[in-house]
Amino acid sequence: AQTVTQSQPEMSVQEAETVTLSCTYDTSENNYYLFWYKQPPSRQMILVIRQEAYKQQNATENRFSVNFQKAAKSFSLKISDSQLGDTAMYFCAPISLSGGGADGLTFGKGTHLIIQP
Amino acid sequence: KAGVTQTPRYLIKTRGQQVTLSCSPISGHRSVSWYQQTPGQGLQFLFEYFSETQRNKGNFPGRFSGRQFSNSRSEMNVSTLELGDSALYLCASSPQGAGGANVLTFGAGSRLTVL
Repeated sequence: AQTVTQSQPEMSVQEAETVTLSCTYDTSENNYYLFWYKQPPSRQMILVIRQEAYKQQNATENRFSVNFQKAAKSFSLKISDSQLGDTAMYFCAPISLSGGGADGLTFGKGTHLIIQP
Repeated sequence: KAGVTQTPRYLIKTRGQQVTLSCSPISGHRSVSWYQQTPGQGLQFLFEYFSETQRNKGNFPGRFSGRQFSNSRSEMNVSTLELGDSALYLCASSPQGAGGANVLTFGAGSRLTVL
């Protein structure tokens, strides 16, 4: 079974600042993916970024990037030049590849990120 | 391309009743999974369906059930509702399931309140 820990229940930063959300996980799998999803007040979960565990290069998507440390089982999300629209709950979720697609995502408890104007 | 559609968006039920929630996946997606989101427990996996077959189920009592139709639309049912079933129920679809290139696309959810 996988466990996911997001140690920051809430964070607040000023617009245009850079913020890093932390995530650690525990898995016995060697092949897996890691995801960050955001859930704005509208409640719709939206994929932010994903990382393949066998790739050493950290994934980036525009202002979003990850710091993936496989040995430490750490998967932090960095948001650069934060915008008001980044205000949301952010969830970290690893998933094994051995389940053939049938496994559910194991989500962390989430970090509530507030971007202040 | 239409997104994942969940109906109804909001509903109120009383203890002991049953409820059915519906999810229409993105066209071409064959996998539908369901999640329960509560303030206390967070997001928890309920079950996953692929080609009308339940492939996996989370740690929920038998009161929670689901099915998938030949057009990939899915329904979940909760019988004998309890106060603790009050939650946001999220449906997600993907071409073949979670993981890898098969990113989950979520619907807006169905907010269930049990009185």
